[in-house]
Amino acid sequence: TQLLEQSPQFLSIQEGENLTVYCNSSSVFSSLQWYRQEPGEGPVLLVTVVTGGEVKKLKRLTFQFGDARKDSSLHITAAQPGDTGLYLCAGGDDMRFGAGTRLTVKP
Amino acid sequence: DAGVIQSPRHEVTEMGQEVTLRCKPISGHNSLFWYRQTMMRGLELLIYFNNNVPIDDSGMPEDRFSAKMPNASFSTLKIQPSEPRDSAVYFCASSPRRDDQPQHFGDGTRLSIL
Repeated sequence: TQLLEQSPQFLSIQEGENLTVYCNSSSVFSSLQWYRQEPGEGPVLLVTVVTGGEVKKLKRLTFQFGDARKDSSLHITAAQPGDTGLYLCAGGDDMRFGAGTRLTVKP
Repeated sequence: DAGVIQSPRHEVTEMGQEVTLRCKPISGHNSLFWYRQTMMRGLELLIYFNNNVPIDDSGMPEDRFSAKMPNASFSTLKIQPSEPRDSAVYFCASSPRRDDQPQHFGDGTRLSIL
């Protein structure tokens, strides 16, 4: 089983701050997905990273896949209250999920 | 396009009762996944199907849990008998293929066993 560890587990910041969350594994992944989950809803796909070293941007969100394809990061610039949610990474043949980072952005 | 549809959205029942959760995947998707989410354990994969065939059920906690996919457009997750520790949000997701494909989730069934 390919395990994914996410850090930090919880993050509470003020509106306007920048932040980075991480998804790490000892295994190589052919791709990783990032999801965001809001209360009362299922996770929603944000991005898929496929190539080692790849960087993808989605407005204020920047996703990076490690060169060795064992880790990934999500950076949010100028966080807003609407970014609040549970951020999950997932990957592997059986599409398992990390435990997630629960982000709270205070106005 | 309709997304993954789960029913019921909420279920409250007494321990010992049988519970059946239902899922309609996105048309054309070949893989279907059942997850359980709790605050303590996060999102746990219970079982997944590929082309209606169960591929990995190692996440199914006990014999009290069973899942079926009689056709490409319908799956059920059954708990019998239910116990209070089964209380969680159960999600169904589907994807075009099994490997490394993004999953599309339903809105979940919030199950409370009293």
